Amino acid sequence: DAKTTQPPSMDCAEGRAANLPCNHSTISGNEYVYWYRQIHSQGPQYIIHGLKNNETNEMASLIITEDRKSSTLILPHATLRDTAVYYCIVSPHHSGNTPLVFGKGTRLSVIA
Amino acid sequence: EAQVTQNPRYLITVTGKKLTVTCSQNMNHEYMSWYRQDPGLGLRQIYYSMNVEVTDKGDVPEGYKVSRKEKRNFPLILESPSPNQTSLYFCASTRQGAKNIQYFGAGTRLSVL
Repeated sequence: DAKTTQPPSMDCAEGRAANLPCNHSTISGNEYVYWYRQIHSQGPQYIIHGLKNNETNEMASLIITEDRKSSTLILPHATLRDTAVYYCIVSPHHSGNTPLVFGKGTRLSVIA
Repeated sequence: EAQVTQNPRYLITVTGKKLTVTCSQNMNHEYMSWYRQDPGLGLRQIYYSMNVEVTDKGDVPEGYKVSRKEKRNFPLILESPSPNQTSLYFCASTRQGAKNIQYFGAGTRLSVL
């Protein structure tokens, strides 16, 4: 079973920030938070990951609460092409075999 | 361009007719993996390979075979396909030390009649 809880769907107006929450209350000390997205049956795409500090890259920002029990992925200026299912995953960073456990994710619809 | 290439993208076949789905990556990654995706079940790992000649079963290996003779290639073989193997298949690769940052192929949609 996935170790994360995400809302099933969200809407966001084009050009606005999309804030996607994720609860991971049972996260352990060596587990990172990863975000992927899947655009309509295409292969999943890695977005960003973090351990405890906030992270930012060219795609998104990741805000992790101080107790690490939840996080938020932020797409600062959502476009129609950001419409996708977004998956939050927790996993150790350097384990052996690492099957990514994708839960149901959040279906983000960006609306013009 | 760094990529994972799967072929074919779409395949319709009949029960029992052996088929191979190829997967190739150009990033010199050690780790490669196959997943299947079914509605309501998410992505499930079929087989994985930590390096050349090293393969092992994932969560749903029944009915599948793999091989890893070269670092860049990781074909998925269905010796005798059955209708319950109708699914969307993804190949993924990553380097050692960053196994959770995986690069996925575009997918192969397989229908077994």
